[in-house]
Amino acid sequence: GQNIDQPTEMTATEGAIVQINCTYQTSGFNGLFWYQQHAGEAPTFLSYNVLDGLEEKGRFSSFLSRSKGYSYLLLKELQMKDSASYLCAVRDLSNDYKLSFGAGTTVTVRA
Amino acid sequence: DVKVTQSSRYLVKRTGEKVFLECVQDMDHENMFWYRQDPGLGLRLIYFSYDVKMKEKGDIPEGYSVSREKKERFSLILESASTSQTSMYLCASSFAGSFSGNTIYFGEGSWLTVV
Repeated sequence: GQNIDQPTEMTATEGAIVQINCTYQTSGFNGLFWYQQHAGEAPTFLSYNVLDGLEEKGRFSSFLSRSKGYSYLLLKELQMKDSASYLCAVRDLSNDYKLSFGAGTTVTVRA
Repeated sequence: DVKVTQSSRYLVKRTGEKVFLECVQDMDHENMFWYRQDPGLGLRLIYFSYDVKMKEKGDIPEGYSVSREKKERFSLILESASTSQTSMYLCASSFAGSFSGNTIYFGEGSWLTVV
């Protein structure tokens, strides 16, 4: 299995930038996913990294370093609607249809 | 758009009852999953299925069973519900394989309370 660690909570101001870190340990890394989950709703897919580097999608970017077992999700120009839980998930080569999830980081955006 | 539909959004059941949670997906996905989500623990995999009538245990299968008689439908069964099974249950589906960007899609969740 994987040990996936991410901070429990983060708070930021509207318009600011927040970086959510995720570290993982896996025997056969095969991709890292970030999901957004609003309270009471299903997780929705945000980003996918399998190679080292930065993937940018509008206000959201995700970075991966496989050698360090490290990823981050960067949220820019924060809006109130970005208040949600952000889940880091890792896919393992030995079981490539299974994702293992971190406990999630709750981001609160304040006016 | 991919649609994963869970039959019940909110359920209240008594200890010892048999509980069925149904899930249907409309994208012809090979893989289907059942997770439960608890505060501070994140999503934990209960069971998954990679084909009709095929199933594999996830990380926490105890107290649960599953059924996949048709490709689009995956059912989670609690044979004898206990209060420790009070949780949010999420069904998900995906294509087979690890091709770039292959992600899983979630249903809206079923909140189960066992009293």
